[in-house]
Amino acid sequence: SAVISQKPSRDICQRGTSLTIQCQVDSQVTMMFWYRQQPGQSLTLIATANQGSEATYESGFVIDKFPISRPNLTFSTLTVSNMSPEDSSIYLCSVERQSPVNTEAFFGQGTRLTVV
Amino acid sequence: GNSVTQMEGPVTLSEEAFLTINCTYTATGYPSLFWYVQYPGEGLQLLLKATKADDKGSNKGFEATYRKETTSFHLEKGSVQVSDSAVYFCALSDDIKTSYDKVIFGPGTSLSVIP
Repeated sequence: SAVISQKPSRDICQRGTSLTIQCQVDSQVTMMFWYRQQPGQSLTLIATANQGSEATYESGFVIDKFPISRPNLTFSTLTVSNMSPEDSSIYLCSVERQSPVNTEAFFGQGTRLTVV
Repeated sequence: GNSVTQMEGPVTLSEEAFLTINCTYTATGYPSLFWYVQYPGEGLQLLLKATKADDKGSNKGFEATYRKETTSFHLEKGSVQVSDSAVYFCALSDDIKTSYDKVIFGPGTSLSVIP
């Protein structure tokens, strides 16, 4: 398994400001994933973060809006930039562990963001 | 490509009722299948999994059987409790013969159990 600490757990932010979310894993992982979960919706993958290279963004998400850092194999940050009320969501950090049989996902507790 | 389809919610049940949440999948290889649960205000956590056809995953009274012939992995519980109120996500990861595979999630099904 993997223990993932994510912070802050929640925040209320003014529109136009930026918030950086931190994700710390208790062991080294190759890839870390950032998801958004809008109210009442499923998970949407924002980007995949590899250590030492630029993050890979999914369709509809851009680096200017969601810059990601991945300075080492146990840590990543996601910044939500120039926020608007539409960015109010839960943001989830995730890692995946591969075994000989399958890949399994583990999640942080999420950051509940409200933009006012 | 790989995908997961779940029954639409929300689902509302009385305590001690029988629960079924349908899940079907499309995959190119031989996937492993998962159910994740998200309790209010929390992140996702793995509920159960099955790695090959006819396997049954079980945990906390929940069960799901990997049915390759119908490409399904339906979640069941014989008697739900109020504490089971949560959002349930069906997911798959394809086999890893060739390259890294992400876990693919279904849209989630919200369950509310009323006393």
